[in-house]
Amino acid sequence: DAKTTQPNSMESNEEEPVHLPCNHSTISGTDYIHWYRQLPSQGPEYVIHGLTSNVNNRMASLAIAEDRKSSTLILHRATLRDAAVYYCILGNSNSGYALNFGKGTSLLVTP
Amino acid sequence: NAGVTQTPKFQVLKTGQSMTLQCAQDMNHNSMYWYRQDPGMGLRLIYYSASEGTTDKGEVPNGYNVSRLNKREFSLRLESAAPSQTSVYFCASSEWAGRQPQHFGDGTRLSIL
Repeated sequence: DAKTTQPNSMESNEEEPVHLPCNHSTISGTDYIHWYRQLPSQGPEYVIHGLTSNVNNRMASLAIAEDRKSSTLILHRATLRDAAVYYCILGNSNSGYALNFGKGTSLLVTP
Repeated sequence: NAGVTQTPKFQVLKTGQSMTLQCAQDMNHNSMYWYRQDPGMGLRLIYYSASEGTTDKGEVPNGYNVSRLNKREFSLRLESAAPSQTSVYFCASSEWAGRQPQHFGDGTRLSIL
């Protein structure tokens, strides 16, 4: 299975943009890139996903490199509520139909 | 919107006891999953059900059994609980496997003494 690499932790100031990187150099052509986040004492929450093109939704933007070997989750204005562990995950119907969660990036947002 | 509902939210067991964790979703999803999360770790897949009537092992299936009771419900059973199974258990569902996002419940916090 293709793996992802994320920094263990990142820190941001409130109301500033945050760019969370993810490397996935062995990604296959059928792998979707999913981002989830997990707030303390809660279950993971879907953030965004994409295949090749950049994606935007009300929560965030996903920028995917042209060669698809890396991606960046962009939070446009961080709030204290965005402090969470962010997971970058690859998934497709050939990977056991499941998401392979790693350790993710712990985002600290300071006032 | 209820989404994915897990019961119970908390449970303490003694070693050797058995119990069943319940999960139900109201989104008409085809696929359901059971994960465990140990302190400071990411989630690890225990079992999944790609569609009603099918179940498959995930990364850490030993010591667990599952039942896809119907399209809505997917239960996880510990036949003989061990301290190593102390963890937070999350159930999730998705419309279809792989491409669709998964929706998670709030978890069951299980302690085995």
